[in-house]
Amino acid sequence: DVKVTQSSRYLVKRTGEKVFLECVQDMDHENMFWYRQDPGLGLRLIYFSYDVKMKEKGDIPEGYSVSREKKERFSLILESASTNQTSMYLCASSWDGRAFFGQGTRLTVV
Amino acid sequence: ILNVEQSPQSLHVQEGDSTNFTCSFPSSNFYALHWYRWETAKSPEALFVMTLNGDEKKKGRISATLNTKEGYSYLYIKGSQPEDSATYLCASRGSNDYKLSFGAGTTVTVRA
Repeated sequence: DVKVTQSSRYLVKRTGEKVFLECVQDMDHENMFWYRQDPGLGLRLIYFSYDVKMKEKGDIPEGYSVSREKKERFSLILESASTNQTSMYLCASSWDGRAFFGQGTRLTVV
Repeated sequence: ILNVEQSPQSLHVQEGDSTNFTCSFPSSNFYALHWYRWETAKSPEALFVMTLNGDEKKKGRISATLNTKEGYSYLYIKGSQPEDSATYLCASRGSNDYKLSFGAGTTVTVRA
């Protein structure tokens, strides 16, 4: 079975902090994604990567950056956390279009 | 950005009853339609991936249909059970696109 692992289930950070969310997949998938999920809005794509060191902006990239130095790892970076980035963050990898998700990180920025 | 809409936002079903709900998506440049089930405290899991107009897929008591010409898909749950309680997400993928665009989901609560 594909496993997508996110480093934390819950995080609480202070406004202005730099925050790293890590995601690792074990199935050699080329495509990896970061989404955030907010009530009533569904999953919104922040960034995705289709290969090592390759990245593309999704629908809501402002305030975020990403890093993909190795194929299995895709990191989401909040350069200076703000309260409006409080959300559930989901990482996914995909093969043949089908997405495999991590368990999610619920981030609270105070 | 693909505009994917799901309705209703939530529904409550009595155990044993059947139910269905809708996903609408842009029909132009369509490539695939995905359904995922997201149970509380778990990761979303893929239910179906459909590509062809008229496709019907079935997994146990859950089935889905696809109309790519008019841009909608139905998900059906037959004889709902409490374990069917979850948020059901649909996502559309356009041609020549890596990305999935998700709807806001339909949250199903099955009452015993």
